[in-house]
Amino acid sequence: EAQVTQNPRYLITVTGKKLTVTCSQNMNHEYMSWYRQDPGLGLRQIYYSMNVEVTDKGDVPEGYKVSRKEKRNFPLILESPSPNQTSLYFCASSLGTAGYEQYFGPGTRLTVT
Amino acid sequence: GESVGLHLPTLSVQEGDNSIINCAYSNSASDYFIWYKQESGKGPQFIIDIRSNMDKRQGQRVTVLLNKTVKHLSLQIAATQPGDSAVYFCAENRGGTSYGKLTFGQGTILTVHP
Repeated sequence: EAQVTQNPRYLITVTGKKLTVTCSQNMNHEYMSWYRQDPGLGLRQIYYSMNVEVTDKGDVPEGYKVSRKEKRNFPLILESPSPNQTSLYFCASSLGTAGYEQYFGPGTRLTVT
Repeated sequence: GESVGLHLPTLSVQEGDNSIINCAYSNSASDYFIWYKQESGKGPQFIIDIRSNMDKRQGQRVTVLLNKTVKHLSLQIAATQPGDSAVYFCAENRGGTSYGKLTFGQGTILTVHP
């Protein structure tokens, strides 16, 4: 089944404890992206990747890191999480950008205390 | 997607009516626009898209209209059904040197009453 998977789906952690949220797609997509969703703010793009080893900042990259060493995986790293990073996170992928349908993962709900 | 607070715009319609959801975008250089549907507890789902060189595109029961003069996008849903109840987001691909950078609107809650 073609899909985008994220792990974990739920995570409660403490301020400053490094964490990684994994994202994997099995559709051989070149484009991958991370978003956070907060009430009333819609989705805001954190980072995106046009292809392996190519990553760029979205609108809210501060406090996050990403890597794209393989086509299928695009992990989101929070080196020192803070409470303002409590949010619902979505990973997405598509064959390309303009003109290609973007498939979203199921989301990861992160709480930082 | 500028923040306007915690309360999303809402649209409430009767089953069978047509629905129109509106969106204002911010960047004149944006070259590609997408509408997404998000049901409770799920990730966004692609509905329909349109390139900036078009002003209308139709899908199954949905039509997207693009007015570049006033930077406005709308989604029309024909014969709305209870299963259409969800939050609807527009998104713009910024184009140019920001190709691949997507900006989402805050969303509109659509409620369809049987």
